[in-house]
Amino acid sequence: DVKVTQSSRYLVKRTGEKVFLECVQDMDHENMFWYRQDPGLGLRLIYFSYDVKMKEKGDIPEGYSVSREKKERFSLILESASTNQTSMYLCASQSSTDTQYFGPGTRLTVL
Amino acid sequence: GENVEQHPSTLSVQEGDSAVIKCTYSDSASNYFPWYKQELGKRPQLIIDIRSNVGEKKDQRIAVTLNKTAKHFSLHITETQPEDSAVYFCAASKGLGYGGSQGNLIFGKGTKLSVKP
Repeated sequence: DVKVTQSSRYLVKRTGEKVFLECVQDMDHENMFWYRQDPGLGLRLIYFSYDVKMKEKGDIPEGYSVSREKKERFSLILESASTNQTSMYLCASQSSTDTQYFGPGTRLTVL
Repeated sequence: GENVEQHPSTLSVQEGDSAVIKCTYSDSASNYFPWYKQELGKRPQLIIDIRSNVGEKKDQRIAVTLNKTAKHFSLHITETQPEDSAVYFCAASKGLGYGGSQGNLIFGKGTKLSVKP
Protein backbone atom coordinates (compact mmCIF):
# COMPACT_ATOMS: atom_id res chain seq x y z
CA ASP A 1 0.00 0.00 0.00
CA VAL A 2 1.20 3.49 -0.86
CA LYS A 3 1.67 5.58 2.23
CA VAL A 4 1.72 9.38 2.11
CA THR A 5 2.01 11.13 5.44
CA GLN A 6 1.91 14.77 6.43
CA SER A 7 3.59 16.24 9.48
CA SER A 8 0.48 17.75 11.09
CA ARG A 9 -3.29 17.27 10.83
CA TYR A 10 -4.08 20.64 12.39
CA LEU A 11 -1.92 23.73 12.70
CA VAL A 12 -2.63 27.20 14.09
CA LYS A 13 -0.20 29.99 13.31
CA ARG A 14 -0.11 33.75 13.60
CA THR A 15 0.13 36.25 10.75
CA GLY A 16 3.72 36.77 9.70
CA GLU A 17 5.02 33.45 11.02
CA LYS A 18 7.05 31.11 8.82
CA VAL A 19 5.24 27.82 8.38
CA PHE A 20 6.62 24.47 7.27
CA LEU A 21 4.37 21.66 6.06
CA GLU A 22 6.09 18.36 5.43
CA CYS A 23 5.06 15.43 3.30
CA VAL A 24 6.69 12.02 3.11
CA GLN A 25 5.95 9.11 0.76
CA ASP A 26 7.33 5.61 1.00
CA MET A 27 6.90 4.36 -2.59
CA ASP A 28 9.95 5.90 -4.26
CA HIS A 29 7.68 8.06 -6.45
CA GLU A 30 9.45 10.75 -8.42
CA ASN A 31 6.52 13.16 -8.71
CA MET A 32 5.07 14.97 -5.73
CA PHE A 33 2.49 17.73 -5.45
CA TRP A 34 1.08 20.28 -3.04
CA TYR A 35 -2.57 21.31 -3.37
CA ARG A 36 -4.75 23.71 -1.52
CA GLN A 37 -8.42 22.78 -1.00
CA ASP A 38 -11.09 25.40 -0.33
CA PRO A 39 -14.89 24.98 -0.41
CA GLY A 40 -16.28 25.48 -3.91
CA LEU A 41 -12.82 25.84 -5.46
CA GLY A 42 -11.80 22.21 -5.57
CA LEU A 43 -8.11 21.25 -5.55
CA ARG A 44 -5.73 23.95 -6.69
CA LEU A 45 -2.12 23.10 -7.48
CA ILE A 46 0.47 25.18 -5.63
CA TYR A 47 3.80 23.54 -6.59
CA PHE A 48 5.03 20.23 -7.89
CA SER A 49 8.33 18.43 -8.20
CA TYR A 50 9.58 15.74 -10.57
CA ASP A 51 12.80 14.92 -8.82
CA VAL A 52 15.11 15.89 -5.99
CA LYS A 53 16.06 19.58 -6.12
CA MET A 54 13.49 20.20 -8.86
CA LYS A 55 10.38 22.30 -8.43
CA GLU A 56 7.77 23.79 -10.71
CA LYS A 57 5.10 26.41 -10.05
CA GLY A 58 1.51 25.34 -10.20
CA ASP A 59 -1.56 27.51 -10.59
CA ILE A 60 -1.33 29.46 -7.31
CA PRO A 61 2.34 29.66 -6.18
CA GLU A 62 2.24 33.20 -4.79
CA GLY A 63 3.15 33.33 -1.12
CA TYR A 64 4.53 29.77 -1.10
CA SER A 65 7.83 28.04 -1.74
CA VAL A 66 8.87 24.38 -1.66
CA SER A 67 11.87 22.25 -0.92
CA ARG A 68 12.76 18.75 -2.08
CA GLU A 69 16.12 17.72 -0.66
CA LYS A 70 15.30 13.99 -0.59
CA LYS A 71 13.16 11.97 -2.97
CA GLU A 72 10.68 10.90 -0.32
CA ARG A 73 10.15 14.32 1.27
CA PHE A 74 8.47 17.40 -0.19
CA SER A 75 8.03 20.45 2.00
CA LEU A 76 5.73 23.44 1.53
CA ILE A 77 6.87 26.71 3.07
CA LEU A 78 4.81 29.79 3.83
CA GLU A 79 7.46 32.46 4.26
CA SER A 80 5.13 34.90 6.03
CA ALA A 81 1.72 33.43 6.75
CA SER A 82 -1.34 35.51 6.02
CA THR A 83 -4.99 34.98 6.95
CA ASN A 84 -5.91 34.24 3.33
CA GLN A 85 -3.68 31.18 3.52
CA THR A 86 -6.03 29.56 6.00
CA SER A 87 -6.99 26.37 4.19
CA MET A 88 -6.66 22.61 3.89
CA TYR A 89 -3.33 21.60 2.36
CA LEU A 90 -3.02 18.24 0.64
CA CYS A 91 0.16 16.56 -0.50
CA ALA A 92 0.19 13.85 -3.18
CA SER A 93 2.69 11.57 -4.84
CA GLN A 94 2.26 10.06 -8.29
CA SER A 95 3.01 6.55 -9.41
CA SER A 96 4.37 5.56 -12.82
CA THR A 97 0.81 4.53 -13.76
CA ASP A 98 -0.37 8.15 -13.38
CA THR A 99 -2.36 7.64 -10.18
CA GLN A 100 -1.94 10.25 -7.47
CA TYR A 101 -2.05 9.22 -3.83
CA PHE A 102 -2.95 11.81 -1.26
CA GLY A 103 -1.81 12.44 2.27
CA PRO A 104 -4.35 13.00 5.07
CA GLY A 105 -4.15 16.79 4.77
CA THR A 106 -3.15 19.62 7.09
CA ARG A 107 -5.81 22.07 8.15
CA LEU A 108 -3.95 25.35 8.65
CA THR A 109 -5.50 28.29 10.46
CA VAL A 110 -3.70 31.63 10.35
CA LEU A 111 -4.85 34.09 12.99
CA GLY B 1 -4.17 23.96 -21.33
CA GLU B 2 -6.60 21.33 -20.14
CA ASN B 3 -9.82 22.40 -18.46
CA VAL B 4 -12.20 20.05 -16.64
CA GLU B 5 -15.80 20.99 -15.89
CA GLN B 6 -17.81 18.90 -13.42
CA HIS B 7 -21.58 18.83 -12.89
CA PRO B 8 -23.60 18.97 -10.77
CA SER B 9 -21.89 20.64 -7.83
CA THR B 10 -24.36 19.04 -5.42
CA LEU B 11 -26.50 15.94 -5.82
CA SER B 12 -29.04 14.49 -3.42
CA VAL B 13 -30.54 11.04 -3.96
CA GLN B 14 -32.60 8.55 -2.00
CA GLU B 15 -30.91 5.41 -0.80
CA GLY B 16 -31.16 2.75 -3.48
CA ASP B 17 -31.38 5.23 -6.36
CA SER B 18 -28.64 5.75 -8.93
CA ALA B 19 -26.35 8.78 -9.07
CA VAL B 20 -24.58 10.15 -12.12
CA ILE B 21 -21.83 12.77 -12.14
CA LYS B 22 -20.57 14.18 -15.43
CA CYS B 23 -17.29 15.79 -16.45
CA THR B 24 -16.14 17.37 -19.68
CA TYR B 25 -12.56 18.03 -20.71
CA SER B 26 -11.06 20.29 -23.33
CA ASP B 27 -7.82 18.64 -24.49
CA SER B 28 -8.43 15.80 -26.91
CA ALA B 29 -4.96 14.41 -26.12
CA SER B 30 -6.00 13.59 -22.53
CA ASN B 31 -6.02 9.84 -22.01
CA TYR B 32 -6.26 9.16 -18.29
CA PHE B 33 -9.44 9.88 -16.29
CA PRO B 34 -9.54 9.01 -12.58
CA TRP B 35 -12.34 9.55 -10.07
CA TYR B 36 -11.64 10.31 -6.42
CA LYS B 37 -13.94 10.07 -3.41
CA GLN B 38 -13.36 12.30 -0.41
CA GLU B 39 -15.32 11.55 2.72
CA LEU B 40 -15.71 14.29 5.30
CA GLY B 41 -12.41 14.98 7.04
CA LYS B 42 -10.52 12.40 5.01
CA ARG B 43 -8.12 12.37 2.08
CA PRO B 44 -9.26 11.96 -1.53
CA GLN B 45 -9.01 8.32 -2.55
CA LEU B 46 -9.04 6.82 -6.02
CA ILE B 47 -12.19 4.77 -6.60
CA ILE B 48 -11.99 4.05 -10.32
CA ASP B 49 -10.12 5.22 -13.39
CA ILE B 50 -10.33 4.75 -17.13
CA ARG B 51 -7.99 5.24 -20.05
CA SER B 52 -8.90 6.48 -23.48
CA ASN B 53 -8.64 3.07 -25.12
CA VAL B 54 -11.62 1.85 -23.08
CA GLY B 55 -15.21 3.06 -23.28
CA GLU B 56 -16.53 1.72 -19.99
CA LYS B 57 -15.20 0.22 -16.79
CA LYS B 58 -17.13 -1.27 -13.87
CA ASP B 59 -16.28 -2.15 -10.31
CA GLN B 60 -19.23 -3.53 -8.36
CA ARG B 61 -21.69 -0.64 -7.93
CA ILE B 62 -19.60 1.99 -9.65
CA ALA B 63 -18.89 2.45 -13.33
CA VAL B 64 -17.22 5.05 -15.48
CA THR B 65 -18.03 5.74 -19.12
CA LEU B 66 -15.93 7.72 -21.56
CA ASN B 67 -17.02 9.40 -24.80
CA LYS B 68 -13.84 10.56 -26.52
CA THR B 69 -15.65 12.19 -29.41
CA ALA B 70 -17.72 14.38 -27.14
CA LYS B 71 -14.87 14.72 -24.63
CA HIS B 72 -16.90 13.77 -21.60
CA PHE B 73 -16.83 11.04 -19.00
CA SER B 74 -19.26 10.09 -16.27
CA LEU B 75 -19.35 8.29 -12.93
CA HIS B 76 -22.34 6.07 -12.29
CA ILE B 77 -23.18 4.75 -8.83
CA THR B 78 -26.02 2.25 -8.62
CA GLU B 79 -27.98 1.19 -5.53
CA THR B 80 -26.61 4.10 -3.55
CA GLN B 81 -26.01 3.70 0.18
CA PRO B 82 -25.53 6.31 2.93
CA GLU B 83 -21.80 5.53 2.96
CA ASP B 84 -21.59 6.76 -0.63
CA SER B 85 -22.16 10.28 0.73
CA ALA B 86 -18.97 12.21 -0.03
CA VAL B 87 -17.40 14.70 -2.41
CA TYR B 88 -16.40 13.17 -5.73
CA PHE B 89 -13.73 14.65 -7.98
CA CYS B 90 -13.05 13.83 -11.60
CA ALA B 91 -9.70 14.53 -13.23
CA ALA B 92 -7.97 14.29 -16.59
CA SER B 93 -4.39 14.15 -17.82
CA LYS B 94 -2.35 13.20 -20.85
CA GLY B 95 -0.39 10.76 -18.77
CA LEU B 96 3.22 10.72 -17.66
CA GLY B 97 4.35 9.45 -21.06
CA TYR B 98 4.03 12.98 -22.43
CA GLY B 99 6.57 14.23 -19.95
CA GLY B 100 6.73 17.38 -17.89
CA SER B 101 3.57 18.87 -16.45
CA GLN B 102 1.36 17.10 -18.99
CA GLY B 103 1.19 14.16 -16.64
CA ASN B 104 -0.35 16.36 -13.95
CA LEU B 105 -3.98 15.74 -13.07
CA ILE B 106 -6.41 18.56 -13.82
CA PHE B 107 -9.32 18.28 -11.37
CA GLY B 108 -12.95 19.23 -11.61
CA LYS B 109 -14.34 21.31 -8.74
CA GLY B 110 -16.11 18.39 -7.14
CA THR B 111 -19.66 17.10 -6.57
CA LYS B 112 -21.08 16.75 -3.10
CA LEU B 113 -23.26 13.64 -3.09
CA SER B 114 -25.76 13.16 -0.30
CA VAL B 115 -27.59 9.83 0.01
CA LYS B 116 -30.69 10.06 2.17
CA PRO B 117 -31.74 6.93 4.04
